[in-house]
Amino acid sequence: KAGVTQTPRYLIKTRGQQVTLSCSPISGHRSVSWYQQTPGQGLQFLFEYFSETQRNKGNFPGRFSGRQFSNSRSEMNVSTLELGDSALYLCASSPEGHGAREQYFGPGTRLTVT
Amino acid sequence: GNSVTQMEGPVTLSEEAFLTINCTYTATGYPSLFWYVQYPGEGLQLLLKATKADDKGSNKGFEATYRKETTSFHLEKGSVQVSDSAVYFCALSNNAGGTSYGKLTFGQGTILTVHP
Repeated sequence: KAGVTQTPRYLIKTRGQQVTLSCSPISGHRSVSWYQQTPGQGLQFLFEYFSETQRNKGNFPGRFSGRQFSNSRSEMNVSTLELGDSALYLCASSPEGHGAREQYFGPGTRLTVT
Repeated sequence: GNSVTQMEGPVTLSEEAFLTINCTYTATGYPSLFWYVQYPGEGLQLLLKATKADDKGSNKGFEATYRKETTSFHLEKGSVQVSDSAVYFCALSNNAGGTSYGKLTFGQGTILTVHP
């Protein structure tokens, strides 16, 4: 079974621009979560989607948004990029919508904001 | 709220040495506990998990036991290899009250370097 895929793997953007990152979960997984990883803050939860609905959201400004499609693929969007948005963005999928379950991570998208 | 604390790193060992990475947690209810590993330039890989007290998760020679009395989930390996060099993250998932869907809470990570 194919793993979680994320595109693109690397991205360089300029302050003030916006960016869209894509995530395809493992086949059959309906829950997709997004995380931001930085050296200073570690791994921080952005949001989770299940059946096209955002069920949970972390403590990030409204510039960070996401959506999920009917095939469970998900995108996250960051508008008005700031230098501090430079990070590795990780997507993870889970096989179950309820309860505490393990998540399977993609390779991440490395975003650099200049 | 939920939180995870890992031992301060980095950890440097010689090949075949014994490894312990400490992890303690704070959570209400009965969280599930995980160890993930991240190799350079890659995402996180699930190493092992435990879903209830006294469960022992194991994989690739690594073990961790869910200790509710001490709120701990320490990672151990009897004989490390150079290929074990990576960053290790302890994490918990807790859906108590139905408010933490899809959220893993991570520790800060521990860098492990194994020398030949």
